[in-house]
Amino acid sequence: DAGVIQSPRHEVTEMGQEVTLRCKPISGHDYLFWYRQTMMRGLELLIYFNNNVPIDDSGMPEDRFSAKMPNASFSTLKIQPSEPRDSAVYFCASSWTSDNYNEQFFGPGTRLTVL
Amino acid sequence: AQKITQTQPGMFVQEKEAVTLDCTYDTSDQSYGLFWYKQPSSGEMIFLIYQGSYDEQNATEGRYSLNFQKARKSANLVISASQLGDSAMYFCAMREGRAGGSYIPTFGRGTSLIVHP
Repeated sequence: DAGVIQSPRHEVTEMGQEVTLRCKPISGHDYLFWYRQTMMRGLELLIYFNNNVPIDDSGMPEDRFSAKMPNASFSTLKIQPSEPRDSAVYFCASSWTSDNYNEQFFGPGTRLTVL
Repeated sequence: AQKITQTQPGMFVQEKEAVTLDCTYDTSDQSYGLFWYKQPSSGEMIFLIYQGSYDEQNATEGRYSLNFQKARKSANLVISASQLGDSAMYFCAMREGRAGGSYIPTFGRGTSLIVHP
């Protein structure tokens, strides 16, 4: 398996522009997570999905952020309009349900810079 | 209150020595899981080791072991025979509740480990 795939790996944009981050989870995983990592706030959970349904989006910072999961193999995180304070590394992770607690598999991350 | 506390922002260890990275957690659940992840300078998050709250034995994975002290709510990571490639950020994380139910993982702020030759 190729692991969790994220694109783009790096994104530089100007304030006010729309940014779309993409994620392909590991096949067979039914949970998908979006995280944001900054020096100031560490690793923050933004939203997670189970079977393509958003379960908890309380970590989404504001209405400028939205996430979708139209099918089991694809998710997007959109920021519109983007602001410099959105600059961070955004991780997508996936895992599967079982009777045991399973670790999350992380993608390589998207490093977003908003100028 | 923080659910996961990593009190050591930075740690240094000599190559081939053992090092312990601290992690304490806060939960009222009886069933939970504890994880450690490694994040090297390249940025990816790598799963290292897992401990379930009902596991009686401390988890081990190669040079990694988890010193689980349930009464103290601590889950320290022990790395034996440190290698230069162990230099990285290390994150402790917890998942609470049943695996099929609420599933919100919580991460600590991390500990930066530097291994000296």
